[in-house]
Amino acid sequence: DAGVTQSPTHLIKTRGQQVTLRCSPKSGHDTVSWYQQALGQGPQFIFQYYEEEERQRGNFPDRFSGHQFPNYSSELNVNALLLGDSALYLCASSWGGTGGYEQYFGPGTRLTVT
Amino acid sequence: GENVEQHPSTLSVQEGDSAVIKCTYSDSASNYFPWYKQELGKGPQLIIDIRSNVGEKKDQRIAVTLNKTAKHFSLHITETQPEDSAVYFCAASKGTYKYIFGTGTRLKVLA
Repeated sequence: DAGVTQSPTHLIKTRGQQVTLRCSPKSGHDTVSWYQQALGQGPQFIFQYYEEEERQRGNFPDRFSGHQFPNYSSELNVNALLLGDSALYLCASSWGGTGGYEQYFGPGTRLTVT
Repeated sequence: GENVEQHPSTLSVQEGDSAVIKCTYSDSASNYFPWYKQELGKGPQLIIDIRSNVGEKKDQRIAVTLNKTAKHFSLHITETQPEDSAVYFCAASKGTYKYIFGTGTRLKVLA
């Protein structure tokens, strides 16, 4: 049973550019959450997708957007990149039904903005 | 606002000793408290969790306790081994929604 997968592993972009990160959830999961983890910090919640809709959003600007596909995979898009967007981006999958509290994380995508 | 405080930020123990990490949450509506272990270059791995209707949960060398009145929860690792060395994060959530994470504890187990 494959766990949560993310691509790419690493990415280097220039300020002002746009980036797309991808996530495939664990088998049987229908909900995807995205987190940003700065170096030495705990993950910060960006948003969560369930049934192809953004169900909840954290304190991140509109430059951060996402999408969930019918197969439950998800993308995170960041526009107009800033140096401060450099971080590890984590995807977590879970079951969106009643009692589906556990979130399982992927290995992350390391984004460096220069 | 919603907040989770975690202490200590670093913890060094001798192999075989116990380690305790403590967290405090601010939102009394939180009802689920997971703990994650993160090794260098990897994503967080769920190691144990507890729901608000339970006061304590144990899984082999790892246990978690919850005090809802004080809004405290703790991770206890007994008989520590070198492979327990990692960064540990606590989190709080209201069911299926976002997690609020603590700032992490770097645990070093000295052989």
